[in-house]
Amino acid sequence: DAGVTQSPTHLIKTRGQHVTLRCSPISGHKSVSWYQQVLGQGPQFIFQYYEKEERGRGNFPDRFSARQFPNYSSELNVNALLLGDSALYLCASSWGRATEAFFGQGTRLTVV
Amino acid sequence: AQSVTQLGSHVSVSEGALVLLRCNYSSSVPPYLFWYVQYPNQGLQLLLKYTSAATLVKGINGFEAEFKKSETSFHLTKPSAHMSDAAEYFCAVSASRSSNTGKLIFGQGTTLQVKP
Repeated sequence: DAGVTQSPTHLIKTRGQHVTLRCSPISGHKSVSWYQQVLGQGPQFIFQYYEKEERGRGNFPDRFSARQFPNYSSELNVNALLLGDSALYLCASSWGRATEAFFGQGTRLTVV
Repeated sequence: AQSVTQLGSHVSVSEGALVLLRCNYSSSVPPYLFWYVQYPNQGLQLLLKYTSAATLVKGINGFEAEFKKSETSFHLTKPSAHMSDAAEYFCAVSASRSSNTGKLIFGQGTTLQVKP
């Protein structure tokens, strides 16, 4: 069975640009969450989507947005990139809103 | 509000020795607690979870953790370290069982080094 898949695996952007990260959950999972992991720190919660609706938001600026599609895949968008947005972005899927989360391999974003 | 503190950002043990990684949590409601492992350039893999059943939880790869409410602790142990256990370990608490959300709050992580 395919696990959580994220694309791309790596990308490099310039300050001020926009980026879109994609996530496909495990088949049958209806919830997708996004986390930011800065080097040397634990992951920080950004968003949770369940049944295509936002169910939770972390302490991130409005430059960060996300959505979930009818097939439960999800996109994370970040506008006006800053150097401090450089991080590993992790997607996690789960069957329900508060059930066990399975993580993807992450997207390594570097902002230069 | 929930929080997690992992004591010791770096732990070094010899191969075959006991592994003990410490985690203390703060939660205003009975928590769900998790340990995840992260290998270099990879995502997080769930080792084990506590969801209010048995206080001693057994996970994968020989790891286990004991939930101690009186000490607000959830320490991770393994009787005998293997070289392949070298990785970053994260303790996490669910944001709120009562709010039915999947938000996880992670500690800062502990790097486990295993010496031959």
